[in-house]
Amino acid sequence: NAGVTQTPKFQVLKTGQSMTLQCAQDMNHEYMSWYRQDPGMGLRLIHYSVGAGITDQGEVPNGYNVSRSTTEDFPLRLLSAAPSQTSVYFCASSLARGYEQYFGPGTRLTVT
Amino acid sequence: AQTVTQSQPEMSVQEAETVTLSCTYDTSENNYYLFWYKQPPSRQMILVIRQEAYKQQNATENRFSVNFQKAAKSFSLKISDSQLGDTAMYFCAFTFRTGANNLFFGTGTRLTVIP
Repeated sequence: NAGVTQTPKFQVLKTGQSMTLQCAQDMNHEYMSWYRQDPGMGLRLIHYSVGAGITDQGEVPNGYNVSRSTTEDFPLRLLSAAPSQTSVYFCASSLARGYEQYFGPGTRLTVT
Repeated sequence: AQTVTQSQPEMSVQEAETVTLSCTYDTSENNYYLFWYKQPPSRQMILVIRQEAYKQQNATENRFSVNFQKAAKSFSLKISDSQLGDTAMYFCAFTFRTGANNLFFGTGTRLTVIP
């Protein structure tokens, strides 16, 4: 049982490049979310999913896309990277509403 | 709007002593869950303790306990017998019993345990 896994751990992009951050969980959780963590601002929700085929926007969705074709996977796509997207990205999953969210180890992204 | 306020950006405590981290939140909803998460230098987010808002009894988990005051919308974390491994960022967060289940986070308190 690996929990929530994220790849890569670190990434450097140039402005305008695109990439996909991978997230997978093996706990059969319905709920999955993407957060970004910036200094002094805590974690903020980017997108979330309440099940396969269902996604919705969070607090800071601009510049990101998600899809949920399986229960296990929830990739986050950066369409055209900007320096403002330099951050640490966390994927999380939970069994049900109000239950503990399990976090992946995070991806540190730098956009130059 | 849902907000979480952690008014202590940094705190320190001597090893084996007790420290309390404060958290207040604002929501018009009545049914929610409250959490404290710990983030050590490894960056991993780790659940410390969870409180259900409809339960009056304060949650405890070994050396960690909370003081939940629903009317005041206050949710403080007490760490007893502080250990060096408690050095970390601590985040207060809450989520609703219905809806998207996303967490609303505070900005964190950096706790340093001094040997």
